[in-house]
Amino acid sequence: GQSLEQPSEVTAVEGAIVQINCTYQTSGFYGLSWYQQHDGGAPTFLSYNALDGLEETGRFSSFLSRSDSYGYLLLQELQMKDSASYFCAAPNRDDKIIFGKGTRLHILP
Amino acid sequence: DAGVTQSPTHLIKTRGQHVTLRCSPISGHKSVSWYQQVLGQGPQFIFQYYEKEERGRGNFPDRFSARQFPNYSSELNVNALLLGDSALYLCASSAGIPEAFFGQGTRLTVV
Repeated sequence: GQSLEQPSEVTAVEGAIVQINCTYQTSGFYGLSWYQQHDGGAPTFLSYNALDGLEETGRFSSFLSRSDSYGYLLLQELQMKDSASYFCAAPNRDDKIIFGKGTRLHILP
Repeated sequence: DAGVTQSPTHLIKTRGQHVTLRCSPISGHKSVSWYQQVLGQGPQFIFQYYEKEERGRGNFPDRFSARQFPNYSSELNVNALLLGDSALYLCASSAGIPEAFFGQGTRLTVV
C-alpha cells in the first residue's frame, strides 16, 4: 500500500519559522510534492523534491531524504496568509497522486 | 490563461440519484484526474485519463465512472448516490509530473 503521514495540526507565531514533517511508505516512489489549500480553495502546488536535499522557493523550502522515507516543508517569515492546510503528496508516473491527510497550520499574531 | 474550470460549483442531490460533474483542463494539458476530498482529509484519487484513455483508477466502487472527450474535457459520473458520497470533487490537469493544477472543485451534498 501507499501512505503518507503528517501531523494533523501545527501552530506557530507570525514571523516565525515552522516545519511540517512527512513520512511515507510508497511503492514506485518518484518524489515528494507539497500542496497548500486554503479553506474553500483548490490545492495549489508548492514544491517537488525528486532528489535528496533541500529545494528553496522564496519563503518556502522543502527537503527529502529517500533513505529515511522522510521529507519536510519549511515555511519562514510566517504571514497570516500562510494559514492553510498543507499536504505532502507522492505523484507516480501516471499522474496519480497519493496525498497525506494534511496538516492544518494555525498562525498566531 | 484560464485555469482548470469545474461545473457546477455546488450541487445538492438526493440519495439514489445520479450526478455528472464537468471539468475543463488547462489548454494544452492532455491529462485529467479526479479526486474526492472529504472534509478534513486529503484528496483521494478516483480516476486519471490521458488522451481519452483511462490510465488509472482508485479504490472506488463501479458507481463511479468517467470519460474524457476529444477536447480533453472530462466528466465524472456517480450513480445511486449515497450519503457518504458527499464531498468536494476536484479535477486536476497536468502536462506531466510533478505539478498538477486543480480546479476549485464541485461541492456535492447528498441528502
